[in-house]
Amino acid sequence: QSVLTQSPSGSGAPGQRVTISCTGSSSNIGAGSDVHWYQQLPGKAPKVLIFGNNNRPSGVPDRFSGSKSGTSASLAITGLQAEDEADYYCQSYDSSLSGWVFGGGTKLTVL
Amino acid sequence: EFQLLESGGDLVQPGGSLRLSCAASGFTFSGFAMSWVRQAPGKGPEWVSALSGLGDGSYYADSVKGRFTISRDNSKNTLHLQMNSLRAEDTATYFCAKMNGHPLSSYYMDAWGKGTTVTVSS
Repeated sequence: QSVLTQSPSGSGAPGQRVTISCTGSSSNIGAGSDVHWYQQLPGKAPKVLIFGNNNRPSGVPDRFSGSKSGTSASLAITGLQAEDEADYYCQSYDSSLSGWVFGGGTKLTVL
Repeated sequence: EFQLLESGGDLVQPGGSLRLSCAASGFTFSGFAMSWVRQAPGKGPEWVSALSGLGDGSYYADSVKGRFTISRDNSKNTLHLQMNSLRAEDTATYFCAKMNGHPLSSYYMDAWGKGTTVTVSS
């Protein structure tokens, strides 16, 4: 059971907007720890999509955006494309565990 | 461009030991904390251990505390993970990752290697 909770799956048609949620607790997201999002394509290492709640590394399209409120965070993808089909993971720091934690992941399917 | 290359993964019996290495290039290695993150087949990533840039601060997940030791050689731009008393549940692909951010509560992994596979089985 992951410390950060994500829906196991999500889907959307090309061009649509989808959101992926990540729910934590008062010892991680609710304590003010930043939330980061990763995309993992099959057989590849995770790649950071969003860092510091809502910042995109250079090279990541502005179709990807992040937000955080209370003990939860969300990743939004607009103008969904076939190449966005992947696993998405949130990550934060947990002060009770004194370590970094990942969500269980959301498998996004582009219909 | 950051490059991280892991090595050392193998098939090992329960109770055995293994040492993983990660060769880094493309950035000032000693200036950044580094982590090991593992991913069991079909599962999400699990952070395992982290080490500060100068090697003076180490952190471990409860699942590996007392069995794994992280270390680094800044003169050789190399990160290591010594794994002892291995268990079947340690079976995973182990990734080396460069950490970025400040303070600890803001750290994220901004570069990853391709991973090395550890299988613990008799």
